[in-house]
Amino acid sequence: EAQVTQNPRYLITVTGKKLTVTCSQNMNHEYMSWYRQDPGLGLRQIYYSMNVEVTDKGDVPEGYKVSRKEKRNFPLILESPSPNQTSLYFCASSLGFGNTEAFFGQGTRLTVV
Amino acid sequence: GQQVMQIPQYQHVQEGEDFTTYCNSSTTLSNIQWYKQRPGGHPVFLIQLVKSGEVKKQKRLTFQFGEAKKNSSLHITATQTTDVGTYFCAGWMIGGYQKVTFGIGTKLQVIP
Repeated sequence: EAQVTQNPRYLITVTGKKLTVTCSQNMNHEYMSWYRQDPGLGLRQIYYSMNVEVTDKGDVPEGYKVSRKEKRNFPLILESPSPNQTSLYFCASSLGFGNTEAFFGQGTRLTVV
Repeated sequence: GQQVMQIPQYQHVQEGEDFTTYCNSSTTLSNIQWYKQRPGGHPVFLIQLVKSGEVKKQKRLTFQFGEAKKNSSLHITATQTTDVGTYFCAGWMIGGYQKVTFGIGTKLQVIP
């Protein structure tokens, strides 16, 4: 089954404790991206990757890092999480760069206290 | 930077009534996509519009892309309770950039 898998689904952590949210897709897609979803703000792109070892900033990259060492994986790293990073995070992948449908993961609800 | 404004933010309709959500971009778009997110779920792709003035239909849903490729709309005829959710537009910039901007979303409630 074609899917984008994120882990964990829920996470509560403390300020400053490094964490990684994993994202994996099994569709051989080239384009992957991370979004955060906040009430009243919709979906905002954090980082995207056009292919292995190619990543770039989206609209809200501050406080986040990503890597793309393999085509299928695109982890999101918060080196020193802060409460303003409490949000619902989605990973997405697509075959091409904006001209094909994006498949979203189930989401990760992160709370930073 | 690119902005995509979406209105309304919320809409309550009686079952059987029509519903429309609108997106307007500050810049000309390469293409626009529409997604639906059910409560507690993740966004799911509905459709993509590429050509100026394009109109596409999916059963009771009609999607339009403006002539200037700066605005788009989604119209649902005779809403059903299964239409409940948040509808997002996603605008892709012209000019080779690979970033996307989502509208804020329109949350649709259908009253049975």
